[in-house]
Amino acid sequence: DSGVTQTPKHLITATGQRVTLRCSPRSGDLSVYWYQQSLDQGLQFLIQYYNGEERAKGNILERFSAQQFPDLHSELNLSSLELGDSALYFCASSVGTVMNTEAFFGQGTRLTVV
Amino acid sequence: GNSVTQMEGPVTLSEEAFLTINCTYTATGYPSLFWYVQYPGEGLQLLLKATKADDKGSNKGFEATYRKETTSFHLEKGSVQVSDSAVYFCALTTSASKIIFGSGTRLSIRP
Repeated sequence: DSGVTQTPKHLITATGQRVTLRCSPRSGDLSVYWYQQSLDQGLQFLIQYYNGEERAKGNILERFSAQQFPDLHSELNLSSLELGDSALYFCASSVGTVMNTEAFFGQGTRLTVV
Repeated sequence: GNSVTQMEGPVTLSEEAFLTINCTYTATGYPSLFWYVQYPGEGLQLLLKATKADDKGSNKGFEATYRKETTSFHLEKGSVQVSDSAVYFCALTTSASKIIFGSGTRLSIRP
């Protein structure tokens, strides 16, 4: 158990809908990262938050947004869903912002868009 | 930009065989290098890391040496077990605060 909790584990929804994925980081970790894992794209970095502020942005679509709350949990919002958004979404956390130390990953949320 | 290239899988070996999974990187500055492993149905977990040139990371019988001259961080294990079957990701981090992953290599070990 990594200590990072993601909910829900599975999500099936229709095209055009909006969903929210939730992540609770390890106790004491201030940084949260979101990654998308798809079969053809591998692991793609989406966005990072540190102590409530956005710190780094990757290949995140405009239809996607995220935030980190004062209790440090984070949510990833995906809207106007398309079939191609079907993927495994991972959250990871670490103590600080510079990642020369270990990141701890949750078990992921598998999103299926039908 | 920064990137990681690792050998494509799947790789299938017999138990007790020697394993090498190649990984090379392109990065500005002095990245830290990692191997993460993903077991079926689970998230990624750190296997080993090296933060500067010539460092050797090791864990659970796996080893990798940070080679700046060849920009490589190949993963090796002398004798693999069925329980090592998983997907292995080579990765790097820079001061930009994100992990850049390779495409992953699926490893299957036959009893």
